Amino acid sequence: QSALTQPPSVSGSPGQSVTISCTGSSSDVGSNNRVSWYQQPPGTAPKLLIYEVSNRPSGVPDRFSGSKSGNTASLTISGLQGEDEADYYCSSKTGGNSLFVFGTGTKVTVL
Amino acid sequence: QVQLVESGGGVVQPGGSLRLSCATSGFTLSRYGMHWLRQAPGKGLEWVAFLTNDGDGSHTNYSDSVNGRFTISRDTSKNTLCLQMNSLRFEDTAVYSCARDGSGYAIDHWGQGTLVTVSS
Repeated sequence: QSALTQPPSVSGSPGQSVTISCTGSSSDVGSNNRVSWYQQPPGTAPKLLIYEVSNRPSGVPDRFSGSKSGNTASLTISGLQGEDEADYYCSSKTGGNSLFVFGTGTKVTVL
Repeated sequence: QVQLVESGGGVVQPGGSLRLSCATSGFTLSRYGMHWLRQAPGKGLEWVAFLTNDGDGSHTNYSDSVNGRFTISRDTSKNTLCLQMNSLRFEDTAVYSCARDGSGYAIDHWGQGTLVTVSS
C-alpha cells in the first residue's frame, strides 16, 4: 500500500489561505469518506483536525476545512496564523488487507 | 481524560524481538478500535496495525511491511494494548505510538511514543 501523495511544503502570509492536497486512488481516497487530517507541530503528537472528509472535532477552529473530489482530498487553512506552522498529514481507509494509509506529509510555513 | 502511555522500546539487533505496551486510561479499551503507528526519525507517519473493538469480534489488520512479523493484542483486564515485534529489521527503527480510533478510522488520541532502534 503506497502512501497518499501530498506536496512537501506550502507557505503563506498571515491572514492568507493555503490548501493542501492529498492524492490517492480508487482503492483509498476515492472509495470512501473515511478521510482525516492531522496537525503535528514539531516534537508533539498529531492532533485530529478533520474526520470523514469535512467534519471538525469540537475545539478545532472553523478556519480548517476539508473537502474531496474523486481520488483527491484537500485541507484548506483560512486566515493563516503563526501557530498553524506544523506538519500536516492526511489519512484514508483503504481496501484490501492493509486497512489504513497516511499521506506523505506537508510542512506549512507562515511567512 | 484519555491517556495513552507507551513503554518497552529500546535497542535490539536485527532479527531480534521486542514487545511494546500501551497503558490506557480514561476510557473503556474494549469499546474502541486501537492502532499502532510509527514515525522514523525525520520521516512521516506510517500506520502499522489495527485492532477492532470487541463489538466487531476483535479483528486485526497490518501494514504490508510488518504483516507476519508483528502482532497487535489487547488485555482489557489490564487496560493495555501490546505490539509483539519479531524478526526486526533496520527499517523498523522508529518512534512507535499507540492511538485510539474515535470512529470511522479517525484517530482522536495519541500517545507520545517509545523509540525502537534496530542496530547491530
